[in-house]
Amino acid sequence: EVQVVESGGGLVQPGGSLRLSCAASGFTFASYAMSWVRQAPGKGLEWVSIISASGNTAYYADSVKGRFTISRDNSKNTLYLQMNSLRAEDTAVYYCTKAMTSSWKSGFDPWGQGTLVTVSS
Amino acid sequence: DIQMTQSPSSLSASVGDRVTITCRASQSISSSLNWYQQKPGKAPKVLIYAASSLQGGVPSRFSGGGSGTDFTFTISSLQPEDSATYYCQQSYSAPYTFGQGTKLEIK
Repeated sequence: EVQVVESGGGLVQPGGSLRLSCAASGFTFASYAMSWVRQAPGKGLEWVSIISASGNTAYYADSVKGRFTISRDNSKNTLYLQMNSLRAEDTAVYYCTKAMTSSWKSGFDPWGQGTLVTVSS
Repeated sequence: DIQMTQSPSSLSASVGDRVTITCRASQSISSSLNWYQQKPGKAPKVLIYAASSLQGGVPSRFSGGGSGTDFTFTISSLQPEDSATYYCQQSYSAPYTFGQGTKLEIK
């Protein structure tokens, strides 16, 4: 079964850091781009970042550029999101998701269950 | 950045009704448009990808169409389990923006 499972969420103070992880299984991880999408409480979906299959190329939403870093370890089938200089507006459920095809121009499936990040003092 | 404008933001319909949601891109995105369903407390699930391709296992009452800047998502005969929020998303170029969502309620 193709599956992604997030971990690492929690409560962090404004200005703090947190690293999210996403463990993938059931597919050839190194062949697919991976992405993070977040959802603030009661709000819609916001795309955060994407990384190529090789890890050589990444893109970010303007709202997180310069503060968040996406990375991957293909030997461990794991995706990461390093979040620094966290703000209250970063409070959200963070979802890990896989590109549906080897092309970047594809939808995302499957999605993990999400991990909640709360930024508050 | 490509902006995605989805309408309506909410709608209420009866079982058996035909329901259509529209999504407009601020510039041409070819057919790089996907539709997701999200139920409360759950992760999103892709229903339609590449504008009109039905994801495996998704009922055939769901369909999508369009290309360029204007897209539609249709449920041909609404079922009670279709109560959810639906999002369009462009995968043409980063940032891969989502529409604001359409909350669908069953009367």
